[in-house]
Order: sequence, then C-alpha cells, then structure tokens
Amino acid sequence: DAKTTQPTSMDCAEGRAANLPCNHSTISGNEYVYWYRQIHSQGPQYIIHGLKNNETNEMASLIITEDRKSSTLILPHATLRDTAVYYCIVRPLGTGKLIFGQGTTLQVKP
Amino acid sequence: NAGVTQTPKFRVLKTGQSMTLLCAQDMNHEYMYWYRQDPGMGLRLIHYSVGEGTTAKGEVPDGYNVSRLKKQNFLLGLESAAPSQTSVYFCASRSNLAGGSYEQYFGPGTRLTVT
Repeated sequence: DAKTTQPTSMDCAEGRAANLPCNHSTISGNEYVYWYRQIHSQGPQYIIHGLKNNETNEMASLIITEDRKSSTLILPHATLRDTAVYYCIVRPLGTGKLIFGQGTTLQVKP
Repeated sequence: NAGVTQTPKFRVLKTGQSMTLLCAQDMNHEYMYWYRQDPGMGLRLIHYSVGEGTTAKGEVPDGYNVSRLKKQNFLLGLESAAPSQTSVYFCASRSNLAGGSYEQYFGPGTRLTVT
C-alpha cells in the first residue's frame, strides 16, 4: 500500500486559502488520493478524492501533480470551523480500506 | 436519514469484562468498518465487512470479534477487555456502487475506557 507523508501541523489566517501538501511518491497508477478531515473528536468526514485530474467540489480543490507523486488540498477561504486534522490517504485496490496516517493539524486563526 | 449511529457513546469497563458495540446505518450500504483511534494517532482498521454475513480482519483484529447478521448492523465485541483496548471506536459504512466515490461515512464514535 502506498504511504503518504504530510506536515504535522500548519497555520492559516481566517479568510485566506489553506494549502495542505501531501507526498505519495509510491502511489500506483490506479490508486486514488482521498482527503478526509476530523474535527475535534468527531468521526472523520470525506472531503474530496481524485485519480490524476484536478478536482473541485463545494468544500475544496485537489491538485495532483502530473507524475502523481504529490498532491495539495486547497481550502479557498478558510474559516475557524475548518480547524481540524486533515488526512491524505491513498486508497488501495479492492475493498476500499483506508489507511490513516497522523495527518496535518490545521489551525485557522482569526 | 440518521446516517451512521453508534451505541453506546461512552463506556467504562473493568479488565476482563465483555461488551458489544453496535453500529447501525440506514443508507443500505454494503461495506461496513470498525476502526480504533488512540490519542494523537490516526484511525486503525480492526475488522470490516463487505456484505451481510461476511467479515474480515483489518490491521489490528486481536482481542475483537465482529458479526454482520443484518445488512444495516455491524457489531464489535470485546470478550475480555484489557487496558490496551482503551480507545475511541469509530464505525463507518460505504456503498459499493460501481463508479461511486467509495466515500466512507463515519459514526460519532464510542469512547471506551478499560480500568
């Protein structure tokens, strides 16, 4: 299973874009990149996923490099409610099991 | 829809006691999962099920058993609780529709303390 590397923590000013990087240099050609977040002790929440094209939804944008070895989750206008742990996950084939690392703790500051 | 619900929300056990955690989902999902999360760590998969009547082991299955007698329910059992099983337990479910996002929907968690 491909592993991911994320910074332990990041800060972002409220109203500014939050850019969360993720390295997944051993990703296989047909493995998807998923992003989830966990807001203080709640269950994780799905944000977005992608294979090789950039993706956007109402929550965020996902930028995947052409070689697929890294990606960036972008929250365009961070709010205080976006303070959470963000997990970058590469989904293995088959059962769709998610392997969570330690994630990035994003602190949005006023 | 209630989504994914977990019962109970909190529980304190003494070493050696047994208990069952219940997960229920009303989204007609085929796949269900049990994770545990220790302080400062990501989630680790305990057991999962790809359909009614089927179960499989995840990363950390020792000390736990599971059953999926009904599609909407996934039970996690601790036969003889140990302090190392103190954790927050999350249940999740997802659809297996072809072309779907494979998004997992998580419950609110059960906080278990074993003394």
